[in-house]
Amino acid sequence: SYVLTQPPSVSVAPGKTARITCGGDNIGGKSVHWYQQKPGQAPVLLIYSTTDRPSGIPERFSGSNSGNAAALTISRVEAGDEADYYCQVWDSLIYHWFFGGGTKLTVL
Amino acid sequence: QVQLVESGGGVVQTGRSLRLSCAASGFTFPIFPMHWVRQAPGKGLEWVAFLSNDGSSDSYADSAKGRFTISRDNSRNTLYLQMNSLGEDDTATYYCARDRDDGSFDYWGQGTLVTFSS
Repeated sequence: SYVLTQPPSVSVAPGKTARITCGGDNIGGKSVHWYQQKPGQAPVLLIYSTTDRPSGIPERFSGSNSGNAAALTISRVEAGDEADYYCQVWDSLIYHWFFGGGTKLTVL
Repeated sequence: QVQLVESGGGVVQTGRSLRLSCAASGFTFPIFPMHWVRQAPGKGLEWVAFLSNDGSSDSYADSAKGRFTISRDNSRNTLYLQMNSLGEDDTATYYCARDRDDGSFDYWGQGTLVTFSS
């Protein structure tokens, strides 16, 4: 089993930058994906392959990964960004997929 | 547009079985691997099962192994999850999700809720 550790909550003022981390053993060697989930809705893919954005996802959302931590950075945070965020990786050796515990982003 | 519509959830009793379905449309279903992911009330996402595009390869989370079976009918563009020996720990919203073929899930259904009655 591969454990991904996220902070339970992150708070940020509108217009500022939020950074949500995702810790894992040598996660820097893996491809990391990020999802946004708003209350009562299905998750939405935000970032795939660590740094790529699906069409329709604003450039304000970016991803990075190095060593034992990956990060999702949200620039110029808006009230509408308030949501739960999950990181995820795929272990291609055992064909298992793992999610982090999720981080609740609060916009102050 | 891509659509995934789950069905089959409901209220079940401990030890009983349930089969979930996921009807896919708006894309070429037979070329994409698919997954089931669940979310217990107020909790995070948990991957449950994977099935390759042609149904020849599958994988399960430890919590599902031996009790759940994922399958697909590519002629009907439908994904299934047969769940046996259900327990209260299986209470969750179950989502089907499409794999981009890089291990990420680019489209999700709206989910179907499985709850328990004592």
